[in-house]
Amino acid sequence: EAGVAQSPRYKIIEKRQSVAFWCNPISGHATLYWYQQILGQGPKLLIQFQNNGVVDDSQLPKDRFSAERLKGVDSTLKIQPAKLEDSAVYLCASSVGGGLQPQHFGDGTRLSIL
Amino acid sequence: AQSVSQHNHHVILSEAASLELGCNYSYGGTVNLFWYVQYPGQHLQLLLKYFSGDPLVKGIKGFEAEFIKSKFSFNLRKPSVQWSDTAEYFCAVKGSGAGSYQLTFGKGTKLSVIP
Repeated sequence: EAGVAQSPRYKIIEKRQSVAFWCNPISGHATLYWYQQILGQGPKLLIQFQNNGVVDDSQLPKDRFSAERLKGVDSTLKIQPAKLEDSAVYLCASSVGGGLQPQHFGDGTRLSIL
Repeated sequence: AQSVSQHNHHVILSEAASLELGCNYSYGGTVNLFWYVQYPGQHLQLLLKYFSGDPLVKGIKGFEAEFIKSKFSFNLRKPSVQWSDTAEYFCAVKGSGAGSYQLTFGKGTKLSVIP
């Protein structure tokens, strides 16, 4: 089966600019996650969707980060404006359902802020 | 709140050596525990998981992990490593019960296996 697709793979922007990442989960997976992985750390959950509804966005910096999953399939994560500390790999994962269903990860987008 | 500690940042072993990577978690309720692996240039993938039952769980590629409740630990082991095991290993915990629980990862341990 095709895995979780993410684009772009790499992005370099200057601070205060905006950026968007795209994720296409595995077909049929109702749950979609966005994680932020800063260098030297493990992934940290930013937001979890169940179909097109938000389940958990408690760690999403909502003053600058936004995410949507309008049709319950693809999702976009946006940062506006970006700060230096947003430099990280942004990972998308999906699972059949929430709970203890295994999460399948994409390759991630590596964001560098200058 | 739940948290995970991985004590070793970088482990270097020769091929055929035995491996044990430490993982300790902090959570007051029922836990579900995971080890994920990220090979160079690849995405994170699940190595093994523990939900309940036999505390010794076996995963892919000869890895196993033991859940010791009294020590809040879930250490990863492999009797004889290969060069292809070079990767970064992440321990993760997810609580159970009412409410939504996130998958919380440790900082990871980088394993380098020397041929």
